[in-house]
Amino acid sequence: DADVTQTPRNRITKTGKRIMLECSQTKGHDRMYWYRQDPGLGLRLIYYSFDVKDINKGEISDGYSVSRQAQAKFSLSLESAIPNQTALYFCATSDRASNTEAFFGQGTRLTVV
Amino acid sequence: ILNVEQSPQSLHVQEGDSTNFTCSFPSSNFYALHWYRWETAKSPEALFVMTLNGDEKKKGRISATLNTKEGYSYLYIKGSQPEDSATYLCAFQAGGSYIPTFGRGTSLIVHP
Repeated sequence: DADVTQTPRNRITKTGKRIMLECSQTKGHDRMYWYRQDPGLGLRLIYYSFDVKDINKGEISDGYSVSRQAQAKFSLSLESAIPNQTALYFCATSDRASNTEAFFGQGTRLTVV
Repeated sequence: ILNVEQSPQSLHVQEGDSTNFTCSFPSSNFYALHWYRWETAKSPEALFVMTLNGDEKKKGRISATLNTKEGYSYLYIKGSQPEDSATYLCAFQAGGSYIPTFGRGTSLIVHP
């Protein structure tokens, strides 16, 4: 089983619908991140959380919200999906020690039609 | 928004060629620089985390160097193999925030 698990892996949804992407991890890491990948644009940070009570906006948080339900769970919501939110979404985790690498989930490919 | 640049954007080489690419990042407030390898349909996986100016890291045929004073890191692949084909990402961590900021990646294709 993967250490960082994202569900669903693929999703097609309609404009205006609410959708939630879920991330869970078994690594025991405090820090969790949501990134979005668009062709030619690399990984851009949407939200991050350094512990259960800590939620912070990233570079491109507009149109998204998150919930850190537990140390192991970090969900990303699109309240009203729009076509330009079509992208590959990655959840990642890292240890409390600041200079350790991030571990990524398998990614969720979201298409908004 | 921190400026992390990678070049070239893509690279095609023949099997056996050695290659290198660059990651440029702010030279002030440096904390750490990461390199990741991202194969198609998989998740990015860390290659190296580098924290000290002059750091050199090596894993098999892949190595990396770090110059924090001038704000760049090089990734080298010696004797490229088709299985090295992937996108190579670097991520910069600034002191204070510690959030990894990624470059756009270098796509490497190694032709047999």
